[in-house]
Order: sequence, then C-alpha cells, then structure tokens
Amino acid sequence: KAGVTQTPRYLIKTRGQQVTLSCSPISGHRSVSWYQQTPGQGLQFLFEYFSETQRNKGNFPGRFSGRQFSNSRSEMNVSTLELGDSALYLCASSLVGNQETQYFGPGTRLLVL
Amino acid sequence: TQLLEQSPQFLSIQEGENLTVYCNSSSVFSSLQWYRQEPGEGPVLLVTVVTGGEVKKLKRLTFQFGDARKDSSLHITAAQTGDTGLYLCAGAHDGNKLVFGAGTILRVKS
Repeated sequence: KAGVTQTPRYLIKTRGQQVTLSCSPISGHRSVSWYQQTPGQGLQFLFEYFSETQRNKGNFPGRFSGRQFSNSRSEMNVSTLELGDSALYLCASSLVGNQETQYFGPGTRLLVL
Repeated sequence: TQLLEQSPQFLSIQEGENLTVYCNSSSVFSSLQWYRQEPGEGPVLLVTVVTGGEVKKLKRLTFQFGDARKDSSLHITAAQTGDTGLYLCAGAHDGNKLVFGAGTILRVKS
C-alpha cells in the first residue's frame, strides 16, 4: 500500500505570494491532518479534515486554510506569505481520525524570500 | 507554551552506549506516541502507549508511560549509528488534536 504523498517536495516563494500544497493520504484513510514544523517552534498542528469537513483547528491565522476532496486528498493554502511561514509542512493521514495511528508524509519544504 | 517538555534537546553519544529521552507534562494524556524523524522525511511512528505504567519494547527500544499518564520515557540500549535522528513525543489531548514535544536530536557516533 502506498504511503502518504505530498507535492511539491520543495517550494520557493516570495513575500506576499500565496501557495497551495497537496497531500494524498493512504488509500482508505479518511482523515488528513496538517502540521507546520520549524526549528524554533517544533511541530504545530494546523488543522484536520475528515469527510471533506474541517474537524479540528490549531492556533494559526486565517491566512492558513485547507480543504479536503471527496477522494480524501487534501490541499492547504497559505495566502500573503510572510518570511516566518518558511517551514516544513507535514501532512498525516489516519483511518478515521484516530490520533493514535497517524502516518506522515515526507513533507513540503517551503522557503519564503 | 509547550505542553510537552522533552529532554535533553541534544544528545551525542558513542555507538554501544545507552541513553534515555524524557517527555514530561503537567497535563494528562489519553495516549502518548513516540516518533523518529530523519532529515528530509516525515516522522515515523515507533509506538503508542495508552495505559498508565505501561512498558513496551521494540528491539533495543523501551518505552514507558508514567502511572499518571503525564510523562513518558524512551530508553535505547546499545545505540547504533542507525538510531541517529530526531525523536518526538506526542500526546493525544483535547479531542483529536496531537500535541508534540520540541524533540530530542540524537547523534550516535561510530
């Protein structure tokens, strides 16, 4: 069974631009969670989607948004990029949102210049 | 404010040595997970502990969940260079959200 895939793996943007990241969960998994990982703050929860609905949300500004499609694939969007948004963005999938069995993708490394 | 405090932040040891990483909180968690992450990759789940006092072994790795379900430890016996990586603990808290510790960077030298 294929693992969680994320595209693109690397991205360079400039301040003020917007970006869309994509995540394909493990086949059969319906829950997708997004995390931001930085050296200073560690892994921080962004949001979780289940059956196309946002079920949980972390403490990030409204510039960070996401959605989930009927095939469980998910996208996250960051608008008006800031330098501090440079980070590794990780997506994790699980069967029904059971946080005990999450599987992470390799991440998208975003650099904002 | 970090809900989960991991210590030490960095650890550099020789191959064959033993080590312990700690994960502490003032909060009670329904379960706690340990992950290992290598550069350029996402975290990989090592173990989940759910019962206070539980001990789980995975080859040379021993995981313990505190009796009060507020803390956990990871002990590695006879470390190998392949154990090098970032070790993260994460607690299931407040519904379905996972809270992560800042991580322990382990470097095992040959």
